[in-house]
Amino acid sequence: NAGVTQTPKFQVLKTGQSMTLQCAQDMNHNSMYWYRQDPGMGLRLIYYSASEGTTDKGEVPNGYNVSRLNKREFSLRLESAAPSQTSVYFCASSAGQGNQPQHFGDGTRLSIL
Amino acid sequence: AQKVTQAQTEISVVEKEDVTLDCVYETRDTTYYLFWYKQPPSGELVFLIRRNSFDEQNEISGRYSWNFQKSTSSFNFTITASQVVDSAVYFCALSEVFSSGSARQLTFGSGTQLTVLP
Repeated sequence: NAGVTQTPKFQVLKTGQSMTLQCAQDMNHNSMYWYRQDPGMGLRLIYYSASEGTTDKGEVPNGYNVSRLNKREFSLRLESAAPSQTSVYFCASSAGQGNQPQHFGDGTRLSIL
Repeated sequence: AQKVTQAQTEISVVEKEDVTLDCVYETRDTTYYLFWYKQPPSGELVFLIRRNSFDEQNEISGRYSWNFQKSTSSFNFTITASQVVDSAVYFCALSEVFSSGSARQLTFGSGTQLTVLP
């Protein structure tokens, strides 16, 4: 019973490098989300996908792109990493209705030097 | 725009004390949902409770209780007889919804770090 699986768990990049964070859920959820967590700021929404085939910007989308590959998978790409993107990234999924809680992956700790 | 404020950045208590974590929210919608999540030192986010805007009944689950007051836009969380294992960061979050009932997005507060000392 995996829930939401994120890969990798840790990553160190150099400024300017690109990478893709992977997220997959096995709960047949419609909606998926990417957040970043920085000290003292809680979680901030980067992008979300309300359903397969749709994506929308959240609060802090600059410097990121996303792909909803299918119902299960939602990836986050950093095209040219910057030190300001050093953070812990969480993927989440939910059934999509407002009363449904979001279920989170274990996070990816990303450091950009 | 919706906003969630957790004014208590850090709280420290001694084991067996009761502790209340405050959450104040802002929204223009009449239909919304409030959540509490726990983030233990291991880092994962654990869903604790959900409350809709039409249900102001307080809820108790074991040592946990929640007090939702629409008049003050608050959704406070109390841990009774705290234990060391309660040490974690606790997040309050708000979800607004479209008329269809589907969620817009979840807005989190900045979290309260609770430390329970033995």
